[in-house]
Order: sequence, then structure tokens, then C-alpha cells
Amino acid sequence: DTGVSQDPRHKITKRGQNVTFRCDPISEHNRLYWYRQTLGQGPEFLTYFQNEAQLEKSRLLSDRFSAERPKGSFSTLEIQRTEQGDSAMYLCASTHSSGREETQYFGPGTRLLVL
Amino acid sequence: GENVEQHPSTLSVQEGDSAVIKCTYSDSASNYFPWYKQELGKRPQLIIDIRSNVGEKKDQRIAVTLNKTAKHFSLHITETQPEDSAVYFCADQGAGNMLTFGGGTRLMVKP
Repeated sequence: DTGVSQDPRHKITKRGQNVTFRCDPISEHNRLYWYRQTLGQGPEFLTYFQNEAQLEKSRLLSDRFSAERPKGSFSTLEIQRTEQGDSAMYLCASTHSSGREETQYFGPGTRLLVL
Repeated sequence: GENVEQHPSTLSVQEGDSAVIKCTYSDSASNYFPWYKQELGKRPQLIIDIRSNVGEKKDQRIAVTLNKTAKHFSLHITETQPEDSAVYFCADQGAGNMLTFGGGTRLMVKP
């Protein structure tokens, strides 16, 4: 499968625990995005990387959230001290940037449930 | 973009009829407008997109129109089929590189 992959697909955790998600973009894609989608809503931007550099972060990304893309390939999104309001689908997307208007391809998402 | 409004939130049509979904945006810097289809439990998949230097684009039964002056764009699906049933999201890409999505339209095509 040469598409964007995410792991795990589902995660159930207790409030206060830390969780980490992984995203593997399409090979050769230099831009990687994280979005969050709650039930019945459109995806909301969290952050994005160009290669290993984190270029922009949304106001939605509180101090409990951190993302990395250390080698410019896969990325991880960590949520510390999870809260029930963190329950959502976390989507990753990637694109190859040669300008600004490039198609973003989404992964299957990681569905997080915080009890 | 800054804000994207999408209407209607639900749309029910008879198989074979047309469906139209409309979006408005506020960011004057927006110049790329993709449409995604999301089936239950699956990832959003791009179905068509349009760039600001084009007013209309068509791909078989799907077409998108863009009016930059009025800041709105629309998705048109003709000859709808039951497998078109899904949630459709419009989005825009503004001054930043991220996409701002509308709230989604749940399309139901009745056989």
C-alpha cells in the first residue's frame, strides 16, 4: 500500500494518560499535516511540517500536544495528560510541495477515545 | 482560509437526480478549493478540486464552479447513484498551507 498510513487505528485510554500516534506519509512527500475531526464536523488543522521543520501550529494545539518529524519522513503526534475532550479522529495528510496548491492525501486516521 | 460555510448540512435526492452543495469562504488569499468525499469510518478522499484561475471544472458526473468575486464555490453531481451517498466536505487553502474545511454535507441517494 503506497498511501498514507497511520498507527494505531484505534486507541482507548484513561484520562490523564499519554498517547502517541504515528503517521507514515506517501514516499517522497515532503509536507505532512495533522488534522483533528470530531463526529459530524470537518477536519480541523493542527500542525504541519515541511521536511523535518514544523512550520505552523494551530491555536487548537495546546501545550499538551507535541508533534515531531525527526528525519523528514514519518511523524508522531503525542498528547500528554489526555482529557475527555481530546476524543476525536486524528488524521494525517501528506503532499509533495512544488508550490502552494497541492492535493493533500489523507490517511485512515487514528480514532482516540478518552474515558 | 479563515472560515468556510457549507450548505446544506443534509441532502436527500432520488437516484438519477442532481445534487448541488454550496460553500462560501472569507479569505481573499484563498486560491485552491478541493472537495473530499468521506464514507462512514473511512478517510476523506479527494474527488475534484479547482484553482482560482479557473471558473469551472468537470470530471464525468462531477463538476465544480468557482466565483471568486462572490467568494463561493459549488459541487454538482449529476445522475446520482446510491454509491454517491457519503459526507462531502469543501475546503479552501488560504495564505497558509493548511486546508480549512466546511462543516460537511451528508448526501443520501435513495434508490
